[in-house]
Amino acid sequence: AQSVTQLGSHVSVSEGALVLLRCNYSSSVPPYLFWYVQYPNQGLQLLLKYTSAATLVKGINGFEAEFKKSETSFHLTKPSAHMSDAAEYFCAVSDRRGGTASKLTFGTGTRLQVTL
Amino acid sequence: GAVVSQHPSWVICKSGTSVKIECRSLDFQATTMFWYRQFPKQSLMLMATSNEGSKATYEQGVEKDKFLINHASLTLSTLTVTSAHPEDSSFYICSTPRPSGSTDTQYFGPGTRLTVL
Repeated sequence: AQSVTQLGSHVSVSEGALVLLRCNYSSSVPPYLFWYVQYPNQGLQLLLKYTSAATLVKGINGFEAEFKKSETSFHLTKPSAHMSDAAEYFCAVSDRRGGTASKLTFGTGTRLQVTL
Repeated sequence: GAVVSQHPSWVICKSGTSVKIECRSLDFQATTMFWYRQFPKQSLMLMATSNEGSKATYEQGVEKDKFLINHASLTLSTLTVTSAHPEDSSFYICSTPRPSGSTDTQYFGPGTRLTVL
């Protein structure tokens, strides 16, 4: 069984400030971990993913996340927030069955608000 | 650009009627599609996995006779909510892995918001 917990349903930061969105996971096997972003009226878009290679993963739009096994965490960060980063962010874990049938388990999401 | 589309984007229907939601892969063949449901302020919950040309696999607790899934072609999967009730009101989202990419990268449709009166 696997699960994901996202701490904080809403996060508000000032433009230019550090963005930190928290995600903790539980998995009975070494996990694959993902961050997705959802803009209003759009589908989920992959930001980045961890698949057991480098523990620090860089994604699109300046985001990165670090896999910490000892803390069972995969927090998402960005050094400087931009207004265009305002969106809903989802952390997810894969069951790693391989092939095309890997299932994703999602966290409840964190809405990021960026203020001037 | 979008690689997965859904239609309609939103729908309102009366209790007891059926609603069909379409999910299309736009420029590739999708042998597998996943259907999720998202209630307000909750996670995306996987409902079922559809495979082209075979019966869908439903998650525990999802009524297969209520949520009919058809994946008759490599570019189209449909979800039909039969005899809809207000508690079926939700955001329905499909996704599919793109064959040429990583098998663990799924592409999501924009979702369909269903409101049952």
